[in-house]
Amino acid sequence: SQTIHQWPATLVQPVGSPLSLECTVEGTSNPNLYWYRQAAGRGLQLLFYSVGIGQISSEVPQNLSASRPQDRQFILSSKKLLLSDSGFYLCAGEQYFGPGTRLTVT
Amino acid sequence: GENVEQHPSTLSVQEGDSAVIKCTYSDSASNYFPWYKQELGKGPQLIIDIRSNVGEKKDQRIAVTLNKTAKHFSLHITETQPEDSAVYFCAAEKGAQKLVFGQGTRLTINP
Repeated sequence: SQTIHQWPATLVQPVGSPLSLECTVEGTSNPNLYWYRQAAGRGLQLLFYSVGIGQISSEVPQNLSASRPQDRQFILSSKKLLLSDSGFYLCAGEQYFGPGTRLTVT
Repeated sequence: GENVEQHPSTLSVQEGDSAVIKCTYSDSASNYFPWYKQELGKGPQLIIDIRSNVGEKKDQRIAVTLNKTAKHFSLHITETQPEDSAVYFCAAEKGAQKLVFGQGTRLTINP
């Protein structure tokens, strides 16, 4: 089975600063990978998914971007954070989720 | 595209009683239906799943049933315990391997 690693666990960043969240996967090769955002007490919103290196599909227009530089690495980025980017960010494989990163933009 | 509806949004049961959470989906081509449990501050954990060629699956106190004709599936937790308290999400997936999630159910087990 897959194991999904994410870091950091929590992050506080000022408005306008850049963002880089990293996700790595163990257990399978060429996995489909996903980034979700979860607002407090809400459901899961799919942001990006990737079926392979360099292949990114965006689900919703936003201030964020994603990259897949290696088979088992998926990165979520922003050049300038907005207050509305605060939330709980989850990386996932086809069945399993990572532990999440709680981002607070101040 | 696929749409998944989940009910109820909150559920409170006495310890030892059973809890049932229901989901409906719209796309008859969906063929994989996982259930996740999410505890506060953690990522969702897969607890049970079912594929469309099976009508029921059980794992100890947890069971899932699938009615393909009616396009709904349910999570059943028997002999509930305080540690079952969490938010539960259902999801449906078609061949493109993108899960569509329900809105979640906050389950509270009262001692």
